[in-house]
Amino acid sequence: QSALTQPRSVSGSPGQSVTISCTGTSSDVGGYDHVSWYQQHPAKAPKLMIYDVYKWPSGVPHRFSGSKSGNTASLTISGLQVEDEAVYYCCSYAGSFTLIFGGGTKLTVL
Amino acid sequence: QLQLQESGPGLVKPSETLSLTCSVSGGSISSSSYYWGWIRQPPGKGLEWIGNVYYSGNINYNPSLTNLVTMSIDTSKNQFSLKVTSVTAADTAVYYCARLPETYTRDGYYGLYFDNWGQGTLVTVSS
Repeated sequence: QSALTQPRSVSGSPGQSVTISCTGTSSDVGGYDHVSWYQQHPAKAPKLMIYDVYKWPSGVPHRFSGSKSGNTASLTISGLQVEDEAVYYCCSYAGSFTLIFGGGTKLTVL
Repeated sequence: QLQLQESGPGLVKPSETLSLTCSVSGGSISSSSYYWGWIRQPPGKGLEWIGNVYYSGNINYNPSLTNLVTMSIDTSKNQFSLKVTSVTAADTAVYYCARLPETYTRDGYYGLYFDNWGQGTLVTVSS
């Protein structure tokens, strides 16, 4: 079970949109519609931003959106704000009652 | 409001057993609607799922850790626990406990995402 593949870093300016990819296999991301995304600020616990590929938990702004195509899931953040600067992790159900995380992507808001 | 709080020693010697407890308040750990999980994060690195436990005692572990970790649940205390045996420096990490809503997947019902997290506790393995 290898970690899902995410870019190490992405960047964007306030007001712009950025997309973070999360690539797995047909045994995890591609096989189930159970991808979640987490935002982690320094020295803080992760926060759920998206679940089941595209669903929003209560209180998460809809500037954050999720999608999936084949073995790759994506998190898009539109209307970037300074406070969006954080590390983002994807997580997928991998069958047999197991979960797997991505390596994390650092978002820099320039 | 649901709160999860990890507790345990901050320093463990190599080859010994790391033991942590997650105390849940503001909600019942006996609810059939949730699973409860452990995740760890080595300093400066990413998240690693350790395992999930259900109130019934049903437990699933990360296959890469299954021989080294043991989870349990104590519904009378509203707590669940983690033990990692024969620790090495590689087990140094912030350990988080979290709640997972029970969700349907074609394999059956399971906890598929973490909707509430504890603040995390740093455990250092060093002599």
